[in-house]
Amino acid sequence: EAGVAQSPRYKIIEKRQSVAFWCNPISGHATLYWYQQILGQGPKLLIQFQNNGVVDDSQLPKDRFSAERLKGVDSTLKIQPAKLEDSAVYLCASTISGGETQYFGPGTRLLVL
Amino acid sequence: GNSVTQMEGPVTLSEEAFLTINCTYTATGYPSLFWYVQYPGEGLQLLLKATKADDKGSNKGFEATYRKETTSFHLEKGSVQVSDSAVYFCALSSSGNTGKLIFGQGTTLQVKP
Repeated sequence: EAGVAQSPRYKIIEKRQSVAFWCNPISGHATLYWYQQILGQGPKLLIQFQNNGVVDDSQLPKDRFSAERLKGVDSTLKIQPAKLEDSAVYLCASTISGGETQYFGPGTRLLVL
Repeated sequence: GNSVTQMEGPVTLSEEAFLTINCTYTATGYPSLFWYVQYPGEGLQLLLKATKADDKGSNKGFEATYRKETTSFHLEKGSVQVSDSAVYFCALSSSGNTGKLIFGQGTTLQVKP
């Protein structure tokens, strides 16, 4: 079974630029999560989707971050404009509907200069 | 609000030593508890979990017991190997929640031959 795929794996941008990350969850997984992991900290949830609907985006900085999952499968997370403090690893995870075990992708490491 | 606190790292042990990584939590209701592991260069993967009080999760020689009276979920292993070197994250998923995970800050384990 293929795991959660993410791209790119690494990205370096300058502040005020925009960037987008892509995630393809495990086939059949209805629930998709985006987490932000700042160096030395545990992952923090940014947004959760159930199929193509948003379940929880209370921690998403909506003035600069956006995410979509239009067809209920893959998802895109965008930052525009980026700030220095957005430097982090962005993790995508998925699970079956109602499932407790989340499966994580390898993450995208973002460095904002 | 819900939170997870882990012992500070890094933890450095010699091969075959006994490992304990402390984890305590604050949560309303009856959360499920997890240990995730992140090996160098890899994504987060579930190590073990427990869904109710007094449950013991175990995997790959690691164990953790859900202690409601002390709100703890300490990770233990009787004899560590160099290959266990990784970052370990304790996490909870609250009952009645959307399923999102709340993570501790992570504990780095380094095992020397």
